[in-house]
Amino acid sequence: GAGVSQTPSNKVTEKGKYVELRCDPISGHTALYWYRQSLGQGPEFLIYFQGTGAADDSGLPNDRFFAVRPEGSVSTLKIQRTERGDSAVYLCASSLDPGTDTQYFGPGTRLTVL
Amino acid sequence: DAKTTQPPSMDCAEGRAANLPCNHSTISGNEYVYWYRQIHSQGPQYIIHGLKNNETNEMASLIITEDRKSSTLILPHATLRDTAVYYCIVRGGSRLTFGEGTQLTVNP
Repeated sequence: GAGVSQTPSNKVTEKGKYVELRCDPISGHTALYWYRQSLGQGPEFLIYFQGTGAADDSGLPNDRFFAVRPEGSVSTLKIQRTERGDSAVYLCASSLDPGTDTQYFGPGTRLTVL
Repeated sequence: DAKTTQPPSMDCAEGRAANLPCNHSTISGNEYVYWYRQIHSQGPQYIIHGLKNNETNEMASLIITEDRKSSTLILPHATLRDTAVYYCIVRGGSRLTFGEGTQLTVNP
């Protein structure tokens, strides 16, 4: 079946602008995760949703970052007042059940802040 | 989650077995060992996971030592398409904590 999809695949924006990144999880997966990967490093956890609610948002770096999942399926990661340091690949993953089930990743969105 | 230690890079000849080691000496009894790989410019791909028994699937085998302080991922017949960064992760909760992984290069 279809895997996790993310749009856009690439996003270039200017410093100070607002961006939204979208994630479509695997159908039926109740848990959804966001990670961020800087060049040459492994992915870092940002936030995890169980259904519609954020079960763990301790990885969000500051209050410019926010994520929603209003209907328990698609999720949007929102970044306000972007900074050059926000440039990274943003990865989304989903799993069938919350917590410890295997996570399957999407291809990521490469964000470049000029 | 417990910290893992992996060699930064390894080479393997095409058609030979690739054995990727991982140390996780502080692993707790309820923590699983997961392996993912990431081919350049793609998202991480799940390979295999285990708790204490050895595991095998269509992609690889996972050998976990009896004391669970280390493990080895085995790709039985490596191909050029197996060139990737391989991450060993010890997981006890919802999040995955990635290290820097091992860059495996399969040579023709």
